[in-house]
Amino acid sequence: QVQLQESGPGLVKPSETLSLTCTVSGGSISTYFWSWMRLPPGKGLEWIGRIYSNGNTNYNPSLKSRVTISVDTSRNQFSLQLASVTAADTAVYYCARGEKIYCGGDCFDSWGQGTLVTVSS
Amino acid sequence: EIVLTQSPATLSLSPGERATLSCRASQSVSGYLAWYQQKPGQAPRLLIFDASNRATGIPARFSGSGSGTDFTLTISSVEPEDFAVYYCQQRINWPLTFGGGTKVEIK
Repeated sequence: QVQLQESGPGLVKPSETLSLTCTVSGGSISTYFWSWMRLPPGKGLEWIGRIYSNGNTNYNPSLKSRVTISVDTSRNQFSLQLASVTAADTAVYYCARGEKIYCGGDCFDSWGQGTLVTVSS
Repeated sequence: EIVLTQSPATLSLSPGERATLSCRASQSVSGYLAWYQQKPGQAPRLLIFDASNRATGIPARFSGSGSGTDFTLTISSVEPEDFAVYYCQQRINWPLTFGGGTKVEIK
């Protein structure tokens, strides 16, 4: 059974870049879509963007100017960078796998536990 | 972007009762709607995809229905482990969007 684990700093200063990595174990990162989501306090889930194992990406237009998602197939990892963060970017960040048989990668059948990132000086 | 509105925000039930959760879309999503369950401190779990199809390993007491703009998740008889937050998600248009969630709590 595939497992996902987010890692990265839990505290980021305003105007800096948030960087997170998702490590995939128990399965290959190849031939799947991999997404990042976030859950701000008191709000609903927000889809940030996704990457296919070949490196093709799609981003949420609301964040596109600040987001970069990359993949390292040799390490079975993919990463999120969010630039110029503010307090509004404080959230629990999740990585997830796109279900490919029925949803074409656009619903999510495996998730990481999530990691809280706080933006504060 | 498509806005998903879930109601009620909180549903207070006793074990054994029926739960009915609603998700309304700002425009038609056809049948491309999923439901997730999230318990405190845990990752979300896919329950239903494409409005009415249970994901692998999901008990039969969970069912989904609806199309277009109005969708329902029903738990036929709530078990103690079902108290959680439930989210809907559409995949007909990008960006993919989620509802604000319904918390099912113990009455």
